Amino acid sequence: QVKLVESGGGVVQPGRSLRLSCSASGFTFSASPMHWVRQAPGKGLEWVAVISPDGNNEHPADSVKGRFTVSRDNSKNTLSLHMNDLRPEDTAVYYCARQRVRNGQNPLDVWGQGTLVTVSS
Amino acid sequence: DIQMTQSPPSLSASVGDRVTITCRASRSISSFLNWFQQKPGTAPKLLIFSASNLQSGVPSRFSGSGSGTDFTLTISDLQPEDFATYYCQQSFFTPYTFGQGTMLDI
Repeated sequence: QVKLVESGGGVVQPGRSLRLSCSASGFTFSASPMHWVRQAPGKGLEWVAVISPDGNNEHPADSVKGRFTVSRDNSKNTLSLHMNDLRPEDTAVYYCARQRVRNGQNPLDVWGQGTLVTVSS
Repeated sequence: DIQMTQSPPSLSASVGDRVTITCRASRSISSFLNWFQQKPGTAPKLLIFSASNLQSGVPSRFSGSGSGTDFTLTISDLQPEDFATYYCQQSFFTPYTFGQGTMLDI
């Protein structure tokens, strides 16, 4: 069964750091680009970042560039989002998602259940 | 960045109705357009990928069309479980931007 499970969310003060994790199972993790997507309370979906299958390339959204870093450990089937200098506007449910790349098609086809990050003093 | 404009923002319909949601990209994205359904408190679910391909397990009443900049999601014979929020997303170029969403209610 293909599955993604996020963890690490919680309440954090502005300016502090937090690391989210996403544990993958049921598929060849090392072959899949992986993404983070977030959703502020009552708002729409916002793409956050992507990392290549080998972990050598990452691309963050402008809204988090310089503050958030994506990494992965293919030996442990784990994706991470390192969030620094957190701001109240980073408050959101954070989802990890697998990108399926096949026959020229590349949707985000598997999503975790999400983990809530609240940035507040 | 590629901007995705979805319309309408909200839509009221009845069971059995046929509804159409549109998504427009600020520039051509070929067929790299995906549709998601999201219900409150749950993760998004992939419905349609590459503009017109039905994801495995998704009922055939869902269909997608379009290419370039203009795309549509059509739901035929609405069922009670279809009342949710729908998002388009382009996967042509990072950042993989989403539309603002369309809330479909009864």
